[in-house]
Amino acid sequence: GAVVSQHPSWVICKSGTSVKIECRSLDFQATTMFWYRQFPKQSLMLMATSNEGSKATYEQGVEKDKFLINHASLTLSTLTVTSAHPEDSSFYICSASRPGQGASNYGYTFGSGTRLTVV
Amino acid sequence: GQQVMQIPQYQHVQEGEDFTTYCNSSTTLSNIQWYKQRPGGHPVFLIQLVKSGEVKKQKRLTFQFGEAKKNSSLHITATQTTDVGTYFCVGNDMRFGAGTRLTVKP
Repeated sequence: GAVVSQHPSWVICKSGTSVKIECRSLDFQATTMFWYRQFPKQSLMLMATSNEGSKATYEQGVEKDKFLINHASLTLSTLTVTSAHPEDSSFYICSASRPGQGASNYGYTFGSGTRLTVV
Repeated sequence: GQQVMQIPQYQHVQEGEDFTTYCNSSTTLSNIQWYKQRPGGHPVFLIQLVKSGEVKKQKRLTFQFGEAKKNSSLHITATQTTDVGTYFCVGNDMRFGAGTRLTVKP
């Protein structure tokens, strides 16, 4: 089945530093990946849609200069939280599906998420 | 973009009782997906509904898609403690509903 690996699973960083989160599709090529953030006991909020070889599409209210997304290959998308502040502390999670399949019978596969704590 | 509303926000049931969560969209959906997220985990795909009036079953879970393709429901018969988690509906633009957190008392 489709496997999405996300790294790191948790990270603590100092305020003002940048953090990079990786999302890899291990056994399939993903032309599109999605990035979400989730606060405790809340739903997943879509941040951006990452398309291989092109600029990401950001949701309204999401700062593209703060949350840099790079989808340079069909198996890797990265989210960089730049100049992180405590309010950026959250659970970040990516998802992907096999190209040409969409959700179909297998849905989108989610990474295990990255818990970011900014101190 | 479209917004999918989901209710209830929380549901606490006794083991063996049934459970239902509902999703409604202001616009017609091309499809709707359902996911389950266990506490501390990530969302796991349950099913996708595409056809108007579609009904799909997975053991004790029954999923329905409304005739107008604007609403959907997930019904669990005779809940078990393993059903604990948050159930999300997701519209075709990959935006999540608010989720229904299910707790089951043994």
